[in-house]
Amino acid sequence: GENVEQHPSTLSVQEGDSAVIKCTYSDSASNYFPWYKQELGKRPQLIIDIRSNVGEKKDQRIAVTLNKTAKHFSLHITETQPEDSAVYFCAAVPGTYKYIFGTGTRLKVLA
Amino acid sequence: GAVVSQHPSRVICKSGTSVKIECRSLDFQATTMFWYRQFPKQSLMLMATSNEGSKATYEQGVEKDKFLINHASLTLSTLTVTSAHPEDSSFYICSARVTGYMGAFFGQGTRLTVV
Repeated sequence: GENVEQHPSTLSVQEGDSAVIKCTYSDSASNYFPWYKQELGKRPQLIIDIRSNVGEKKDQRIAVTLNKTAKHFSLHITETQPEDSAVYFCAAVPGTYKYIFGTGTRLKVLA
Repeated sequence: GAVVSQHPSRVICKSGTSVKIECRSLDFQATTMFWYRQFPKQSLMLMATSNEGSKATYEQGVEKDKFLINHASLTLSTLTVTSAHPEDSSFYICSARVTGYMGAFFGQGTRLTVV
């Protein structure tokens, strides 16, 4: 069935370093790939997204890349700050708009 | 951006009772809403897709008679956990989709504790 794998499950980086989180999806019909940041006990917040007709998108310190052939997409955070610490979820969305979430990555930015 | 309001944010109930959770789209009409369940330190698992004016579509393994979903209007969907048991304790969160936009907007979630 539909599946999204996300790695790593936990990631610790020093403040100022970069962080990369990778996801792989199985449903070739997926054409929209959002990334969400969730702080403890709070709602997921959309931080960046990419559509299948685009290979890369950047918004300040955050970028997302997509390789449709390999069914991979990645989140890149540069110049990490302590407030970037949270759980990050990727999702793959087909035309049915049913979000299939990855398993999550707990990012800890060490000051 | 679009605002989705979910209530209550926390609820504690006794085993055997039912709990209703509301999800409202405040400034847009949501033809489709989604209900998720999230266990501690785990991902969001889709429970069902709620369509205004029609029956919800449940994911495999989700008991439709236990998790009743009603989407009576374009701005309100409700999830009722019937005959709740301690294993139903979890974080429940809804999201709504805006027509013409692929993004989803999430409610603030409901932490349900069944004692």
